[in-house]
Amino acid sequence: DIQMTQSPSTLSASAGDRVTITCRASQSISTYLAWYQQKPGKAPKLLIFGASNLESGVPSRFTGSGSGTEFTLTISSLQPDDFATYYCQQYSTYSYTFGQGTKLEIK
Amino acid sequence: QVQLVESGGGVVQPGRSLRLSCAASGFTLSTYAMHWVRQAPGKGLEWVAVVSYDGSNQIYTDSVKGRFTISRDNFRNTLYLQMNSLRVEDTALYYCTRGSGGASRYYFDYWGQGTLVTVSS
Repeated sequence: DIQMTQSPSTLSASAGDRVTITCRASQSISTYLAWYQQKPGKAPKLLIFGASNLESGVPSRFTGSGSGTEFTLTISSLQPDDFATYYCQQYSTYSYTFGQGTKLEIK
Repeated sequence: QVQLVESGGGVVQPGRSLRLSCAASGFTLSTYAMHWVRQAPGKGLEWVAVVSYDGSNQIYTDSVKGRFTISRDNFRNTLYLQMNSLRVEDTALYYCTRGSGGASRYYFDYWGQGTLVTVSS
């Protein structure tokens, strides 16, 4: 199975900051990579698919990039609503594996 | 609007069975693959199973193979997960999700609110 590794596991930042979360795949997944946001007690929400395609209704401050084995999610100017846990997910193979998550905390 | 509403969770003893349901609305269920994804308390997300748009193909994560069965009834707009021989490690919030993409490469664009399964003696 393809393993997905996110870094960092926890990220402390302030509103207005620019932050980047990294996701690495154990083998090439082309651009079959999605990002999700999950808030406590809520279901995950799709942010980005195809590594860089913004889901409808998602603010443009979210940007995804990468291909092959290394990917990033960047939030250009953090808003209070962005403090949550973020997961990457590969869909190149049937295992549909997720990263372990990155918790974005208020500094 | 797209809605996925899970039901059927509860507390069950190890070795027993449970069937989860997911009622879908706001889209044509018969044109989408559907998945179950679970999340153990305080943990990350784990994909569990997928069923093709017409129910003819199913794939499972290794840890549930031979114990869980995913199925669907497109006429009733409902997805199911039959869980047998439950283990303590199956304790999780189970989400019903819609697969988008294609050619067996799916990301999950809509999620239900989840139904909690607790396996405990």
